[in-house]
Amino acid sequence: DAKTTQPPSMDCAEGRAANLPCNHSTISGNEYVYWYRQIHSQGPQYIIHGLKNNETNEMASLIITEDRKSSTLILPHATLRDTAVYYCIVRVYTLTQGGSEKLVFGKGTKLTVNP
Amino acid sequence: DTEVTQTPKHLVMGMTNKKSLKCEQHMGHRAMYWYKQKAKKPPELMFVYSYEKLSINESVPSRFSPECPNSSLLNLHLHALQPEDSALYLCASSQDPRGSYEQYFGPGTRLTVT
Repeated sequence: DAKTTQPPSMDCAEGRAANLPCNHSTISGNEYVYWYRQIHSQGPQYIIHGLKNNETNEMASLIITEDRKSSTLILPHATLRDTAVYYCIVRVYTLTQGGSEKLVFGKGTKLTVNP
Repeated sequence: DTEVTQTPKHLVMGMTNKKSLKCEQHMGHRAMYWYKQKAKKPPELMFVYSYEKLSINESVPSRFSPECPNSSLLNLHLHALQPEDSALYLCASSQDPRGSYEQYFGPGTRLTVT
């Protein structure tokens, strides 16, 4: 399974952009990159995902390098409520039982947004 | 409604007990998942159900027994657990296991084995 590498922790000032990097150098051509976050002891929350192209939604932007070996999650205006552990995940698709996916979580980045 | 519910929120059980965790979603999702999360660690996949059939078992010990009675409900039956099985158990669902859909996670059941 493809693995991801993230910095263990990052700090960001409130109102500034938070840029969270992720390396996934062993990713295969059909594997998606997903980002989730987990606020203390809650269930993970989906943020965004992509395959090759950059993606943007109301929460964040995802920038994937052309060789797909790394990506960056951008929170454009971080708030205190964005303090959480952010997981960069490679989705693995298997052909068992007609096909199903699994998310292989890395260790994540603990983002702290400071006032 | 984009909610996955899990009951109970907390569970304390002895090593000889039998208990069950319950997960429910009413989003019409056809894939459901069980994850285990130890303190300060990322979630680890345990089981995947695809269209009510078990499609992935990540070599989970047989003292954990999953069940998917229908497309909305997922159970995890627990028997003869060990103290090291104490963890947060997370359930998730996604629209279709064959597409690139996001997983919706429940709040989890915090299990303590004494």
